[in-house]
Amino acid sequence: KQEVTQIPAALSVPEGENLVLNCSFTDSAIYNLQWFRQDPGKGLTSLLLIQSSQREQTSGRLNASLDKSSGRSTLYIAASQPGDSATYLCAVGLGSGGTSYGKLTFGQGTILTVHP
Amino acid sequence: DAGVIQSPRHEVTEMGQEVTLRCKPISGHDYLFWYRQTMMRGLELLIYFNNNVPIDDSGMPEDRFSAKMPNASFSTLKIQPSEPRDSAVYFCASSLGQGLTQYFGPGTRLTVL
Repeated sequence: KQEVTQIPAALSVPEGENLVLNCSFTDSAIYNLQWFRQDPGKGLTSLLLIQSSQREQTSGRLNASLDKSSGRSTLYIAASQPGDSATYLCAVGLGSGGTSYGKLTFGQGTILTVHP
Repeated sequence: DAGVIQSPRHEVTEMGQEVTLRCKPISGHDYLFWYRQTMMRGLELLIYFNNNVPIDDSGMPEDRFSAKMPNASFSTLKIQPSEPRDSAVYFCASSLGQGLTQYFGPGTRLTVL
């Protein structure tokens, strides 16, 4: 059974800092990995999706990397802003042989607070 | 597009009552997912559909839970009878194709007293 762990559980940083959120998974037979953002009382917003054959994806100040063999992904946020404050969730899409099983397994999330 | 639409946004009911949650996926998306989020267990997949057909319902906790998708633009998740431990936020998500980005609705916060 795939297990996804996110470290740290919570992070508080001053505005302007660069930061790294970590995600690890136990089964390397993944199809893809997604990073989501969740604001309090809201649904999830997809940030980045990395296919299993890719090493990284970038969107603006966000960069996500994937090391399938070691079961790790990182989300790098450059020049953090108070508006980045949210819970960040890592989700692993299961699959094998180039076929997705269609299911996502989520980590528990990292609660990020960026203070002015 | 309006995104994934869920109703109601909040539901408070008493133990033993039937609860029906509703979801309208993004038009053209062929996959629909139901998730439950609690503090203790995080986000868990309950069931998902492809082209209105249930593909995997292994996450449905008990027979009290059932889900249907009568057409491409509507799905329901029903709990009968409801229990206090069913209190959670229930999310619906849809995607265009298998293994692609999932788009989440705002969720339904269910409280069973």
